Amino acid sequence: AQKITQTQPGMFVQEKEAVTLDCTYDTSDQSYGLFWYKQPSSGEMIFLIYQGSYDEQNATEGRYSLNFQKARKSANLVISASQLGDSAMYFCAMREGSMGKTSYDKVIFGPGTSLSVIP
Amino acid sequence: GAVVSQHPSWVICKSGTSVKIECRSLDFQATTMFWYRQFPKQSLMLMATSNEGSKATYEQGVEKDKFLINHASLTLSTLTVTSAHPEDSSFYICSARDWDSGSYNSPLHFGNGTRLTVT
Repeated sequence: AQKITQTQPGMFVQEKEAVTLDCTYDTSDQSYGLFWYKQPSSGEMIFLIYQGSYDEQNATEGRYSLNFQKARKSANLVISASQLGDSAMYFCAMREGSMGKTSYDKVIFGPGTSLSVIP
Repeated sequence: GAVVSQHPSWVICKSGTSVKIECRSLDFQATTMFWYRQFPKQSLMLMATSNEGSKATYEQGVEKDKFLINHASLTLSTLTVTSAHPEDSSFYICSARDWDSGSYNSPLHFGNGTRLTVT
């Protein structure tokens, strides 16, 4: 069963505008983590931001912020002041598993959203 | 920051041959590494979890005899695609987490991926 849903296969945004990329997830764990990664056309995976399930405040990292609504199981990424270099695939990901060091905890990825920034 | 090096970045091989892909953590020790596969315009699919000093854990539907994983040291995991066929052509990407960073929210660090083409 799909655990992470990104309902926007493709998005367009005007340069310097803000954009929200949607992500909803499904888990029965109380402890989990949510990540956003950016993948440019070159293929590398770039970590953007993290939100823990117990974090009370929304995470922010520079122009990236995460709108975390735990009851709705959503973790939307907000990119402010879009730049041409933001054009890429964006993946929402989730880590399940117990806290602390473990030999096995999976990170699974959503289907991704392709963002195009228009000059 | 934590760096994961993956080699080769691309490889072309003939059907029936085997290909080995290396994944190294350069400045941290990784007891666990993860191997993902990505088809064009699709998401990352977890293939297996590579555990140092023990057998890899494969995801459902992944042929363990086709995709041999060896994690011989704390900094090196290898994925060997055996008897490759054109349908094995894909983008393979490894990742690892620096547990010694001391935080559950430490992200996965990714190699730059290997683009495999089987002719």
